[in-house]
Amino acid sequence: DSGVTQTPKHLITATGQRVTLRCSPRSGDLSVYWYQQSLDQGLQFLIQYYNGEERAKGNILERFSAQQFPDLHSELNLSSLELGDSALYFCASSPQAGGPETQYFGPGTRLLVL
Amino acid sequence: AQSVTQLDSHVSVSEGTPVLLRCNYSSSYSPSLFWYVQHPNKGLQLLLKYTSAATLVKGINGFEAEFKKSETSFHLTKPSAHMSDAAEYFCVVSDYGGSGGGADGLTFGKGTHLIIQP
Repeated sequence: DSGVTQTPKHLITATGQRVTLRCSPRSGDLSVYWYQQSLDQGLQFLIQYYNGEERAKGNILERFSAQQFPDLHSELNLSSLELGDSALYFCASSPQAGGPETQYFGPGTRLLVL
Repeated sequence: AQSVTQLDSHVSVSEGTPVLLRCNYSSSYSPSLFWYVQHPNKGLQLLLKYTSAATLVKGINGFEAEFKKSETSFHLTKPSAHMSDAAEYFCVVSDYGGSGGGADGLTFGKGTHLIIQP
C-alpha cells in the first residue's frame, strides 16, 4: 500500500459527459501528479501540482483540468468525454517538487466511456 | 527531451532462471532512472532507482540494475525468477534538470511483459 488513495476505483459514463477523479496524496507529500495509461498511448504524464500550484504540464488535453486544494488532495476533471478517453488514470505523490524523488502511485481509477 | 526505449515488449523465462529486461534512455541532462512494476489490476510499485550515486543499484525482491552512461542503458536483472515476478515492468526517466514543462513528470517506456514459465 503506497499511501496514495484514489476514488472512485471504477467509473462508467457516456460520451459528452464530465467526470471528476479524486486523489489523496501520502501524508506530508506536497506534489501530486496525474498520469493516463491507455493501450495505444501507454503511460503518459498529464500534469503536476506542487503545494497548490500548477508546476508542470505534460500531454494534457484542453478538455481536462486539475487542481490541488489547500489540504493537498487533488481532482482531475475530464469533460466532453470521448471514447478514446477510456483509460486507467493514476495519481502519484512525492514529498517535494519531483526530479530524483520517488513518486508513489495510487491504485488508479479505471474510466470507461461508452 | 527525454525518452526511454524498452527493447522487448515480452520476455519469457523459466522459473529459477535469470531475468534480463533491457532499457535504453535518452536524456539531455543528468537523468534519474527508475524501474517500476505493475502487477495485474494493481498500481505501480517502485523496484529501484538511480540518482547519480552508485551505478549498480539494488532494489526490492532481488532485482538490480546497472547504469551505463557510455551505453545509455539501465537494464534490469534478477538472478533467479520466481512465479510472483510475472508482471509488467516499466523503465522510467526523470529529466529534472531539463528545460521545464513536464520536467518533473516521469517519462515511461512502453513496458515489458515478463512471463514466468513453471
